[in-house]
Amino acid sequence: ETGVTQTPRHLVMGMTNKKSLKCEQHLGHNAMYWYKQSAKKPLELMFVYSLEERVENNSVPSRFSPECPNSSHLFLHLHTLQPEDSALYLCASSQALTSGSVHEQYFGPGTRLTVT
Amino acid sequence: QKEVEQNSGPLSVPEGAIASLNCTYSDRGSQSFFWYRQYSGKSPELIMFIYSNGDKEDGRFTAQLNKASQYVSLLIRDSQPSDSATYLCAVNHEGTGGFKTIFGAGTRLFVKA
Repeated sequence: ETGVTQTPRHLVMGMTNKKSLKCEQHLGHNAMYWYKQSAKKPLELMFVYSLEERVENNSVPSRFSPECPNSSHLFLHLHTLQPEDSALYLCASSQALTSGSVHEQYFGPGTRLTVT
Repeated sequence: QKEVEQNSGPLSVPEGAIASLNCTYSDRGSQSFFWYRQYSGKSPELIMFIYSNGDKEDGRFTAQLNKASQYVSLLIRDSQPSDSATYLCAVNHEGTGGFKTIFGAGTRLFVKA
């Protein structure tokens, strides 16, 4: 595997289900990100981890719960979602967030989530 | 005012022409700037980044940054039909408020054969 991978690629879940999205990066990076992309809206940054510590949480509802067990893996745990949470969820990785660095991000293919 | 603003397009140019994509940002403390290309149904793909005023060239692509005017642009020379996609501008800012990446809504580019 190369780059950033995400599983599953497609997910349909009911509002009472619990599911998890998985992201894995093979780029030797130390920062990982979750984004939400809804139709006709800009990419929204949800969570950022650098060196396995969460450094940003942009007022995301608690029904989304991130987990970063190590620098190569990132999870997004989902529970009690709403239909408006249906979107493309993208994972990205970069070098660690150290001052003075550029931190270009590389994206995975995304998980298309539909909440019914 | 949106934090990162782009014209949604579509921007239509003939094959072989120069396509010019523009982006303005509101946070004067922003430090690094990125252009991504996103084909329909695919994830964003990094094209270029820039962090110093002036021009940065990579093949057919040139990024231009003007921090005083708070804009960044992307020029695509010799446009090809395969360049037809949505181009996303992204801005990074790190400070006492933490780290953030803000994306624009994107400009759709259509290159006519």
